[in-house]
Amino acid sequence: AQKVTQAQTEISVVEKEDVTLDCVYETRDTTYYLFWYKQPPSGELVFLIRRNSFDEQNEISGRYSWNFQKSTSSFNFTITASQVVDSAVYFCALGYNQGGKLIFGQGTELSVKP
Amino acid sequence: EAGVTQFPSHSVIEKGQTVTLRCDPISGHDNLYWYRRVMGKEIKFLLHFVKESKQDESGMPNNRFLAERTGGTYSTLKVQPAELEDSGVYFCASSQGGWGYGYTFGSGTRLTVV
Repeated sequence: AQKVTQAQTEISVVEKEDVTLDCVYETRDTTYYLFWYKQPPSGELVFLIRRNSFDEQNEISGRYSWNFQKSTSSFNFTITASQVVDSAVYFCALGYNQGGKLIFGQGTELSVKP
Repeated sequence: EAGVTQFPSHSVIEKGQTVTLRCDPISGHDNLYWYRRVMGKEIKFLLHFVKESKQDESGMPNNRFLAERTGGTYSTLKVQPAELEDSGVYFCASSQGGWGYGYTFGSGTRLTVV
């Protein structure tokens, strides 16, 4: 069965701290995609990154970085030098059927305090 | 390019009433998806249209939910009669096809059943 687990329900940090959001997935498919979305207080889902199962290279985009490890079925997300504007709910998701549905994790609510 | 648009942004209805949510996908996107997030839990898939056909409706909770996509353009999701447990945020997303084309979400409709 396909499953995504975000074990951290809530995280609270002080501005400028680094924070890592964990994501563990389960799938028997060899071809799949992993996603991270951000849901700010305004409610919309903002796409952050998409990774396919054949590309294990880590990615860095500004203060954001992602660590994909197939050996541990994890796709963790790190925010460096967090800012108050990073406060949001972050969702990890798995797409295992080409063009089909996404399986989401429960979400991690990140609160960055000034 | 206009994004995925959802109407209304908020809806408060009484138990037993009917509500219709609307989603306008990105022009040219054949794939349209409905998801919902209930009570702070994970975002769950409801169904997937390819043009006007239902490709996958395995996530529809029961027959009180009816989704349509007339002419392969906009889609509606009707809840009739609404129950308290239907409260949540309903998201729509669209894509051109495979994962490489991306997957864009709308801002969601927050439904509250009282």
